Amino acid sequence: NAGVTQTPKFRILKIGQSMTLQCTQDMNHNYMYWYRQDPGMGLKLIYYSVGAGITDKGEVPNGYNVSRSTTEDFPLRLELAAPSQTSVYFCASTSGAGTGGTDTQYFGPGTRLTVL
Amino acid sequence: AQSVAQPEDQVNVAEGNPLTVKCTYSVSGNPYLFWYVQYPNRGLQFLLKYITGDNLVKGSYGFEAEFNKSQTSFHLKKPSALVSDSALYFCAVRANTGTASKLTFGTGTRLQVTL
Repeated sequence: NAGVTQTPKFRILKIGQSMTLQCTQDMNHNYMYWYRQDPGMGLKLIYYSVGAGITDKGEVPNGYNVSRSTTEDFPLRLELAAPSQTSVYFCASTSGAGTGGTDTQYFGPGTRLTVL
Repeated sequence: AQSVAQPEDQVNVAEGNPLTVKCTYSVSGNPYLFWYVQYPNRGLQFLLKYITGDNLVKGSYGFEAEFNKSQTSFHLKKPSALVSDSALYFCAVRANTGTASKLTFGTGTRLQVTL
């Protein structure tokens, strides 16, 4: 049971390049989330999903896209990288449905992205 | 809208002394409250949560937190700090209604424990 895994661990992009951050969980969780963490700012929610085929915007969705074709995978796509997207990105998951919101979110190890 | 405030960017404490990391929250309805810890270059690890019941919640690594509804606070505590407790601590809140179990995080408090 690996929990939540993310790849890559580190990446440097040039302005305008695209990339996909991968996130996989093996806990059969319904709900998955993408956050970005900037120094002194805590974690901001980018996108979330409550099940396969269902995604929704969080607090800071601009410049990102997501898809959820399976329960296990929730990739985050950056189409035209900008320096403002330099951040650490965390994926999280939780069982969600039927828990009344009492469930715990479990986090991946993060992807450190630099856009130059 | 829900929000969390962690008023201290950093807390310094000597090893063996008690520690407190402060958190206040704002949410409609009854809150679900969480504490996470982040070690350098790692993801967030769950420490403890308050859902309902006893206001004093015990969690991992000897940490506990006290829920105070009248003061809308959920301070993290430990009776005797260890150098290995040095890390970044996040408080988070979720309302007990609504969908998607979305959390709102505070900005984090860096705990520095020295010998």
